[in-house]
Amino acid sequence: SAVISQKPSRDICQRGTSLTIQCQVDSQVTMMFWYRQQPGQSLTLIATANQGSEATYESGFVIDKFPISRPNLTFSTLTVSNMSPEDSSIYLCSVGGPYEQYFGPGTRLTVT
Amino acid sequence: GDSVTQMEGPVTLSEEAFLTINCTYTATGYPSLFWYVQYPGEGLQLLLKATKADDKGSNKGFEATYRKETTSFHLEKGSVQVSDSAVYFCALSYNTDKLIFGTGTRLQVFP
Repeated sequence: SAVISQKPSRDICQRGTSLTIQCQVDSQVTMMFWYRQQPGQSLTLIATANQGSEATYESGFVIDKFPISRPNLTFSTLTVSNMSPEDSSIYLCSVGGPYEQYFGPGTRLTVT
Repeated sequence: GDSVTQMEGPVTLSEEAFLTINCTYTATGYPSLFWYVQYPGEGLQLLLKATKADDKGSNKGFEATYRKETTSFHLEKGSVQVSDSAVYFCALSYNTDKLIFGTGTRLQVFP
């Protein structure tokens, strides 16, 4: 299994600002995923981040709003840019193992 | 495209009652199927999985069988406990690629 940590665990931000969320894995992984869970909703994939290549974004998500970095095989960041209250969500990173995906504890973001 | 449909919640049960949470899927290929659980204030945890038709996943008294003929993966438990109160997500994926989640079903168990 993989152990995943995220920073920060929660934050309250003002609209128009940006927040960068960090995801650290205890082992080297090829694929990392970023999901969003809006209040009371299911999880929606934002993008897939492979080391050494640009992230692949799902429909409805764009790089200008959610830039992602993947500098090595154990680390990734997601930035939520120019935030609005609609961005208030839990953001989770996950990694693909041989048989399943493992999730980080999430970052709870509130935009005021 | 692929999708997952779960029964609406919340599901409210008394302790020791039988639980079924329905999940059906639409898939273009042969995905693996998963149940994830999210306890209050905690992150997402894998509860059980099945990788091919007729496989049964089981964990902590929960079971689900991959039924290709009915495209279903219903979650069952014979006797629920208060500690099982959580949100349960059904999901599918291909080769540990991105997960496609259902909307989640909230389970509330009362003593």
